[in-house]
Amino acid sequence: AQSVTQLDSHVSVSEGTPVLLRCNYSSSYSPSLFWYVQHPNKGLQLLLKYTSAATLVKGINGFEAEFKKSETSFHLTKPSAHMSDAAEYFCVVIGAAGNQFYFGTGTSLTVIP
Amino acid sequence: SAVISQKPSRDICQRGTSLTIQCQVDSQVTMMFWYRQQPGQSLTLIATANQGSEATYESGFVIDKFPISRPNLTFSTLTVSNMSPEDSSIYLCSVAFGQGATYEQYFGPGTRLTVT
Repeated sequence: AQSVTQLDSHVSVSEGTPVLLRCNYSSSYSPSLFWYVQHPNKGLQLLLKYTSAATLVKGINGFEAEFKKSETSFHLTKPSAHMSDAAEYFCVVIGAAGNQFYFGTGTSLTVIP
Repeated sequence: SAVISQKPSRDICQRGTSLTIQCQVDSQVTMMFWYRQQPGQSLTLIATANQGSEATYESGFVIDKFPISRPNLTFSTLTVSNMSPEDSSIYLCSVAFGQGATYEQYFGPGTRLTVT
């Protein structure tokens, strides 16, 4: 079965410093992976996705993620955190049927001024 | 992409009653999904609701508790039946486009349900 594990439930960074949100996946085949962001009391927004093309994926708002098969990881990074980045981030993998999403447990990002 | 609306946006309901949540999409989509997000937790897939077929439920979710309708390609409803406080959650619908490398899901704003 496909699954993702988000290694940190909470991450706190200072404004202007790098962000690293970690995600490991488990899949019996080459997976499609996504990162979504959920701001307080708002809907989910797609940040970026990996679908077996380039291993380094660039998303919106300066975020990017690198697919590393050898490490079964898909960590989300941003060079410089902004206050508006404070939100909940979810790593997502597609199930074997090819259309069902399975969410990680989420990482809450706090940005300190 | 798609614009997805849900009604109601929130509700407070009494134990033992039922609530029907509506999901409206601004374009025709084949694949639609319903999720639950319990307080402080991640999203869990309840069921897949494709037009023209019965909804497919994930392990732990049953049709008697969460009946789903999908009358056309732009609309679906999820009913939470015989509610208990444990059903207090945010319920989200999503729609999917594309396949393979182009596959993406878009989410509605959610319905925040509190059961007292």
